[in-house]
Amino acid sequence: SQELEQSPQSLIVQEGKNLTINCTSSKTLYGLYWYKQKYGEGLIFLMMLQKGGEEKSHEKITAKLDEKKQQSSLHITASQPSHAGIYLCGADSPQSGGGADGLTFGKGTHLIIQP
Amino acid sequence: KAGVTQTPRYLIKTRGQQVTLSCSPISGHRSVSWYQQTPGQGLQFLFEYFSETQRNKGNFPGRFSGRQFSNSRSEMNVSTLELGDSALYLCASSLVGGRNYGYTFGSGTRLTVV
Repeated sequence: SQELEQSPQSLIVQEGKNLTINCTSSKTLYGLYWYKQKYGEGLIFLMMLQKGGEEKSHEKITAKLDEKKQQSSLHITASQPSHAGIYLCGADSPQSGGGADGLTFGKGTHLIIQP
Repeated sequence: KAGVTQTPRYLIKTRGQQVTLSCSPISGHRSVSWYQQTPGQGLQFLFEYFSETQRNKGNFPGRFSGRQFSNSRSEMNVSTLELGDSALYLCASSLVGGRNYGYTFGSGTRLTVV
C-alpha cells in the first residue's frame, strides 16, 4: 500500500519568514492534494497537482510535484498568523480502477506562526 | 454554492450503543467518501458511495456501515461502539469520485465514546 511521509512533523516559524513542507510517497503519485486543517475541524482544500513538474500558487502558497512524481513540496512565503494550522498531503490511489479508492494521507505538519 | 454539511457536529455516546452520522454533499456531487481521523492513526478511508452503491471500502470492521440516498446524502452507522471509535469523522464530496476529480471535505462530526 502507498505511504506518505511528511516532514517536518511540526514547525515553528517567525511571522514574515518563509517555510517549506515536504511530502514523500513510497510509490508514484497520481494526483496529490494539499489540505489545511484547524484543530478539530474539517479540511480546507488548498491545491491539487496531477502532472510531474506541475507547480501551482494561490496567494502566498506554492505547491510543486517533482518530475519523478514521488515528492511534493508546499512553500509559504512571508508567513502570517492565518497560515497556522495542520497541513496534510493526500494522494489518489495508484490503482486506476473506478470510483474513489480513498485518499491516503500523511500524518500532517503542525505549523505555528510566532508573532 | 453550499459546502458539505455534516451533522451533528458533536456527539457523546456510551460504549455498546450505536450511532448514525449524516453528510449532505455539494449540490450535484454524487460521490461521498467517509474518513476517520484519530491522533494515532491519522486520516483513514472508511468507504465511498456513488449513486446509492458502495464502490470501495477501507480496512474497517463490519460494525462500520453506510448508505447513500437518491439525493446523494449519505449516512454512516457504527454499531456496538467501542472506546477506540472516538474520533473525528469526516465526509468528502466529489463530483463523481475517482482519481483527480477533487474532494471537498465537511467540518466533521466529533464522536466521543465513554
